[in-house]
Amino acid sequence: EVQLVESGGGLVKPGGSLRLSCAASGFTFSSYSMNWVRQAPGKGLEWVSSISSSSSYIYYADSVKGRFTISRDNAKNSLYLQMNSLRAEDTAVYYCARDAPIAAAFPDYWGQGTLVTVSS
Amino acid sequence: AIQMTQSPSSLSASVGDRVTITCRASQGIRNDLGWYQQKPGKAPKLLIYAASSLQSGVPSRFSGSGSGTDFTLTISSLQPEDFATYYCLQDYNYHRTFGQGTKVEIK
Repeated sequence: EVQLVESGGGLVKPGGSLRLSCAASGFTFSSYSMNWVRQAPGKGLEWVSSISSSSSYIYYADSVKGRFTISRDNAKNSLYLQMNSLRAEDTAVYYCARDAPIAAAFPDYWGQGTLVTVSS
Repeated sequence: AIQMTQSPSSLSASVGDRVTITCRASQGIRNDLGWYQQKPGKAPKLLIYAASSLQSGVPSRFSGSGSGTDFTLTISSLQPEDFATYYCLQDYNYHRTFGQGTKVEIK
């Protein structure tokens, strides 16, 4: 069974940093592209970042580019999101999601999310 | 960035109704579009990929169509478990964007 479990969320002050982790199991992690998607309280979904299976290709939304860094450790079956210079508008539930193993690869499995609150 | 405009933002419908949600892209995206369902407090669920392909395990009352800039999600006969928020997602140029969502409520 595919499982994605996020951790690392919490309360942080504006300008602070936080590192999110996503532990993957039930599939060959090193073969799949992965994503971070967030959802502010009461708002819609926002794609944050994607990373290819071997980390060769990395993409960011303009809203986080230069502040967030996505990475992965295939030996540990883990995905990460380093978030720096956090702002109030970064407050959201952050989901880790796996891309489907097909040509039209959309995120097919999602974790349950971890809440990040940026507030003084 | 490609903008995705979903309509309507909300709708009220009854069990058994046919429901249609549309998504318009600010530029052509071929068929690089997916549809998701999200229930309160839960992660999104993939329904449709490549504009019209049904994800494994998703009921056949869900269907998708469109190409280029205009796309449609149709629920042929709304069931009680279908009351949720629906999002489109474009994957044309590796910088993905979601539509703003359509909340389907009980009439």
